[in-house]
Amino acid sequence: QQQVKQSPQSLIVQKGGISIINCAYENTAFDYFPWYQQFPGKGPALLIAIRPDVSEKKEGRFTISFNKSAKQFSLHIMDSQPGDSATYFCAAAIPMDTGRRALTFGSGTRLQVQP
Amino acid sequence: DGGITQSPKYLFRKEGQNVTLSCEQNLNHDAMYWYRQDPGQGLRLIYYSQIVNDFQKGDIAEGYSVSREKKESFPLTVTSAQKNPTAFYLCASSMTGEGEQFFGPGTRLTVL
Repeated sequence: QQQVKQSPQSLIVQKGGISIINCAYENTAFDYFPWYQQFPGKGPALLIAIRPDVSEKKEGRFTISFNKSAKQFSLHIMDSQPGDSATYFCAAAIPMDTGRRALTFGSGTRLQVQP
Repeated sequence: DGGITQSPKYLFRKEGQNVTLSCEQNLNHDAMYWYRQDPGQGLRLIYYSQIVNDFQKGDIAEGYSVSREKKESFPLTVTSAQKNPTAFYLCASSMTGEGEQFFGPGTRLTVL
């Protein structure tokens, strides 16, 4: 119930194309859904996040689409650029009794944007 | 600059040795975390701490130990009991109750 399933494992997109990464969850108690971007040898950095009371959030070329009934959310990267080549992780946060929010991460998608 | 620092960037350890990874933050965050990352896998939680002098085990705590004597610091010791310690270790911090975690640059540990 704590799992977040992410697909695809790897993705190759041409420059200017749309990259789409999907995540699914089971636990309806998750209440915050961030996406992280990680370049090789670096720590993950928060890219964009959404709460379940909205169906879409857009920041520049990055959009999260959220389907509460299907328990799915996805990251869309419009006009993909070679500089977007990185590993992307979806995550879901759940409030715990102790007051903290526990994050569960997907397994990651390695995106390669070809010039 | 506010942020999280980890040291060293690369660490080599002989089998049977304990090693300590450093994590420092100046974001004034209450909560700090240690994750392990293996190739092709997501991040797995080792330990977390919500307040000074208190910490809790995560999903894969066996073979690891931590301390939280100062708000800014959360060192991780990889003990000889950890059977497969070669991995990329990430430290993170957050405000208590917030889902957004900020990550350090990581330490790559290799056991020779």
